[in-house]
Amino acid sequence: NAGVMQNPRHLVRRRGQEARLRCSPMKGHSHVYWYRQLPEEGLKFMVYLQKENIIDESGMPKERFSAEFPKEGPSILRIQQVVRGDSAAYFCASSERRQTGLGTDTQYFGPGTRLTVL
Amino acid sequence: GQNIDQPTEMTATEGAIVQINCTYQTSGFNGLFWYQQHAGEAPTFLSYNVLDGLEEKGRFSSFLSRSKGYSYLLLKELQMKDSASYLCAAGGATNKLIFGTGTLLAVQP
Repeated sequence: NAGVMQNPRHLVRRRGQEARLRCSPMKGHSHVYWYRQLPEEGLKFMVYLQKENIIDESGMPKERFSAEFPKEGPSILRIQQVVRGDSAAYFCASSERRQTGLGTDTQYFGPGTRLTVL
Repeated sequence: GQNIDQPTEMTATEGAIVQINCTYQTSGFNGLFWYQQHAGEAPTFLSYNVLDGLEEKGRFSSFLSRSKGYSYLLLKELQMKDSASYLCAAGGATNKLIFGTGTLLAVQP
């Protein structure tokens, strides 16, 4: 039973290039979340998506960052014109479904993509 | 605002018991999660509390008091492999998680 898959595991980009990070959720999961972890800091929520829908993007920077989760294929986090401050570990998580009423869905994390901007 | 506080570092001895505390202030609180994260790896789910009280799962237990905005993770019979960061996270109204900075636990022989 494969867990959350992310690729690439490591990505090196020069300033100004584009970075594309991919995430395939666990089998049966239709909800995907992206988090960023800067060195010596906690995980920060970026965006929450369902298939073809962005549910909450309150943690996404207003410029250069975008995310999608198409009907077919993995979720993509795209960073345009990367800067050194974008260097971080980017984690994807998935959950089974949106709980109704009390509670939050348990999220299972992928291994992360470590982005280094030179 | 959103705020999660937990100690930065703790040290404990193999075979002992350790308690990692977490206090939170979040809007739309919808449960409290604990994750374990080894260096360079993914966070691994440990426990979830949505109602007050203690949840026990093997060597790990987690407690929640919603009225006090307080949780703790209790690790018993510590093993060397328990050396890791322990992340406290509050569930929010839209299913997102608000994480603390994590507690780095060092287990010594």
